[in-house]
Amino acid sequence: AQSVTQLDSQVPVFEEAPVELRCNYSSSVSVYLFWYVQYPNQGLQLLLKYLSGSTLVKGINGFEAEFNKSQTSFHLRKPSVHISDTAEYFCAGSEGGSEKLVFGKGTKLTVNP
Amino acid sequence: DTAVSQTPKYLVTQMGNDKSIKCEQNLGHDTMYWYKQDSKKFLKIMFSYNNKELIINETVPNRFSPKSPDKAHLNLHINSLELGDSAVYFCASSQSGGITYNEQFFGPGTRLTVL
Repeated sequence: AQSVTQLDSQVPVFEEAPVELRCNYSSSVSVYLFWYVQYPNQGLQLLLKYLSGSTLVKGINGFEAEFNKSQTSFHLRKPSVHISDTAEYFCAGSEGGSEKLVFGKGTKLTVNP
Repeated sequence: DTAVSQTPKYLVTQMGNDKSIKCEQNLGHDTMYWYKQDSKKFLKIMFSYNNKELIINETVPNRFSPKSPDKAHLNLHINSLELGDSAVYFCASSQSGGITYNEQFFGPGTRLTVL
């Protein structure tokens, strides 16, 4: 069965600094991977997704992620964060094209001035 | 606006009561989902319906019963509410795409508090 692990529960950074949020997955079959963002008191919004093809995926709001099969990772990065990026970030995966999404436990990104 | 909507946004109720949460999507999707987000923000799928038919049913107590009157609606009915049911419940929808996975669109959530 697939699992998704987010290694950091909280990541504090200063504004304009780069950030990396880590995500690892385990799956015995092909996997689709996603990053969602949840702003305070709101639903989830898709940032980016990896289905196949290029391992570097660019998403909205300047975020990107790299699929690394050998390290079973899908880390999220942004070169320069803004205060408005403060939110909870969820990594998720679906196994073999299944409709079922398995979520990591989330990483709370706090951007300080 | 095209979106996934849920009502109510907040629900406060006593233990033992029965309550329903409604979800509607006007995106023309054929698949809808219910997720539960606990107090530690952990998100877990509960149910999924495709064209009004149940396709995913995780280990959820029988007190939870989803109902899909049509493919645009997926309601969640909860009987005999317990303290542990307190959580934020998210509805989502997507268009099934065979070998191509399609994005799930989430509603704003319903915060259920059981006293």
